[in-house]
Amino acid sequence: AQTVTQSQPEMSVQEAETVTLSCTYDTSESDYYLFWYKQPPSRQMILVIRQEAYKQQNATENRFSVNFQKAAKSFSLKISDSQLGDAAMYFCAYRSSPLFGNEKLTFGTGTRLTIIP
Amino acid sequence: GAGVSQSPRYKVAKRGQDVALRCDPISGHVSLFWYQQALGQGPEFLTYFQNEAQLDKSGLPSDRFFAERPEGSVSTLKIQRTQQEDSAVYLCASSLGGSRQPQHFGDGTRLSIL
Repeated sequence: AQTVTQSQPEMSVQEAETVTLSCTYDTSESDYYLFWYKQPPSRQMILVIRQEAYKQQNATENRFSVNFQKAAKSFSLKISDSQLGDAAMYFCAYRSSPLFGNEKLTFGTGTRLTIIP
Repeated sequence: GAGVSQSPRYKVAKRGQDVALRCDPISGHVSLFWYQQALGQGPEFLTYFQNEAQLDKSGLPSDRFFAERPEGSVSTLKIQRTQQEDSAVYLCASSLGGSRQPQHFGDGTRLSIL
């Protein structure tokens, strides 16, 4: 079974600065997908960014980028120019390739990000 | 609607009562998922539908939990004889299905068992 580990329960960053959230995972599969989701107090999980394991290039979405290290099974999220609206719980998630038949997500325990004005 | 809709948003029940939680996915979405999120934890998979077929129910914690999606659209998660450990947020997600499609989540139902 796959596992996802987020070792930072809480992080804080000054507004406009850069912060990196860590995530490691364990799998024996070679093809899979990785995601970062944001969950504000409203509870809705919002997709921030995703990475396909077969792609070597790190994904980027505006101020959000990832550092995907497949051999190390590491998938960190970098948030640049942090904004007050970035404050939320951030979850790293793993999904097997559909070749294995199930699209379910396996989540880490989350990192609570606080933005300091 | 534009997004995944879940109802009720909050549900309080006494231990031993049955509850039913509803999920209305995005129109046209083939895949539907239920997750359970305990306080301070990440969501945990409960069950998965592709259209009306329940393809995986390995995450359901006991036979008190039952999910259905009879017409391949709206889904209901039912919990019988509720217990205090069932208190959690129940999240529903839907997707178009397939390798490149992300899951879109609803706002969840917060269930409190007294």
